[in-house]
Amino acid sequence: GAVVSQHPSWVICKSGTSVKIECRSLDFQATTMFWYRQFPKQSLMLMATSNEGSKATYEQGVEKDKFLINHASLTLSTLTVTSAHPEDSSFYICSALTSGAANEQFFGPGTRLTVL
Amino acid sequence: GESVGLHLPTLSVQEGDNSIINCAYSNSASDYFIWYKQESGKGPQFIIDIRSNMDKRQGQRVTVLLNKTVKHLSLQIAATQPGDSAVYFCAENMEAGSYQLTFGKGTKLSVIP
Repeated sequence: GAVVSQHPSWVICKSGTSVKIECRSLDFQATTMFWYRQFPKQSLMLMATSNEGSKATYEQGVEKDKFLINHASLTLSTLTVTSAHPEDSSFYICSALTSGAANEQFFGPGTRLTVL
Repeated sequence: GESVGLHLPTLSVQEGDNSIINCAYSNSASDYFIWYKQESGKGPQFIIDIRSNMDKRQGQRVTVLLNKTVKHLSLQIAATQPGDSAVYFCAENMEAGSYQLTFGKGTKLSVIP
């Protein structure tokens, strides 16, 4: 299947700083990518839909000014957690949607964010 | 999918036995369902999918059953192996054309050697 990568795989930061997470589709182009958050022992919760060349669509309860999403190319979407706080510590997972008839969604390996 | 809970349901199975993992979905209009496997610290891995116009689909060692009447989905794993130990999530596509997925709460499968 298609490959999606995330960078970094883990990050530790101080409270109040910003952290950028990259999501890349390595062997296909993705006009749509999704960002999820997963707390320990819980399910994946969709945060936002990232659309190449346009603004992201955020799910209810997700602050767009805190979680900045930029989908600047057909293979890269970034999620920036601004002014991170300990409660933002979580596992952030992206997925990329293939285009065409298949429209399959492939997931990245996730990024573990720990805010001290 | 169901609302997120704080504790994952756990299923313990002897190696070689069959496993059945269940999921109740929320939207009767959902037309596409997927089962994912997630190992610790990794992203979800696609296992098998099924569309709403089917009630059964088989893959290699896995079978998905869909009961639209009671909004129930199940994943059957034949001859469960230690490598099958993981958390399994069902996901539903609630809105045709959106491709957004809503995940169920997950079930942790532990295989006893």
